[in-house]
Amino acid sequence: DVKVTQSSRYLVKRTGEKVFLECVQDMDHENMFWYRQDPGLGLRLIYFSYDVKMKEKGDIPEGYSVSREKKERFSLILESASTNQTSMYLCASSHGTGGFGEQFFGPGTRLTVL
Amino acid sequence: AQSVTQLDSQVPVFEEAPVELRCNYSSSVSVYLFWYVQYPNQGLQLLLKYLSGSTLVKGINGFEAEFNKSQTSFHLRKPSVHISDTAEYFCAVSVNSGYSTLTFGKGTMLLVSP
Repeated sequence: DVKVTQSSRYLVKRTGEKVFLECVQDMDHENMFWYRQDPGLGLRLIYFSYDVKMKEKGDIPEGYSVSREKKERFSLILESASTNQTSMYLCASSHGTGGFGEQFFGPGTRLTVL
Repeated sequence: AQSVTQLDSQVPVFEEAPVELRCNYSSSVSVYLFWYVQYPNQGLQLLLKYLSGSTLVKGINGFEAEFNKSQTSFHLRKPSVHISDTAEYFCAVSVNSGYSTLTFGKGTMLLVSP
């Protein structure tokens, strides 16, 4: 059974803290994605990666960075957390190129920044 | 760039009634279309996808969708809903490019009551 796991389901941090969200997939997928989900806004792409050490900005990269040192792991970093980064964060992975591959999602991390 | 519009933010229905969730897209090139479902406190799960061929696509849990190129629509239907179908539904589009990114709609909350 395919699986995408995220390091925490719930996380509470303080303004200005450095925050790491970890995502691991066991499907040997080339592509990995980070989204944030907010009520009424749907899912918005923050960053994605199509290979180890490669990264591309999505629609809302400001305030975030990412790291992909191994194929199975994709980390989202909030260098200095702010209250407007309180959100649900979803990681996903997919195989191949061309846009037709299904994305498999993790359960999400609900981050609260106080 | 492509975009997705889900016309209804909430759709309330009674159990065993039929339902249609509407999705329209815009793109200057050929697209692939997806419907995902998100049950409470879970990640997203693929319901169905249209890549090519028959415009009527059948998915899991009795859902189906019809691709209409002239109306740029991909509406999701189910002839008889259950309480367990209560969830948020997302329409998404991707294009045949080097990167397999998805653009999501803002979601439609399906509320099924007895």
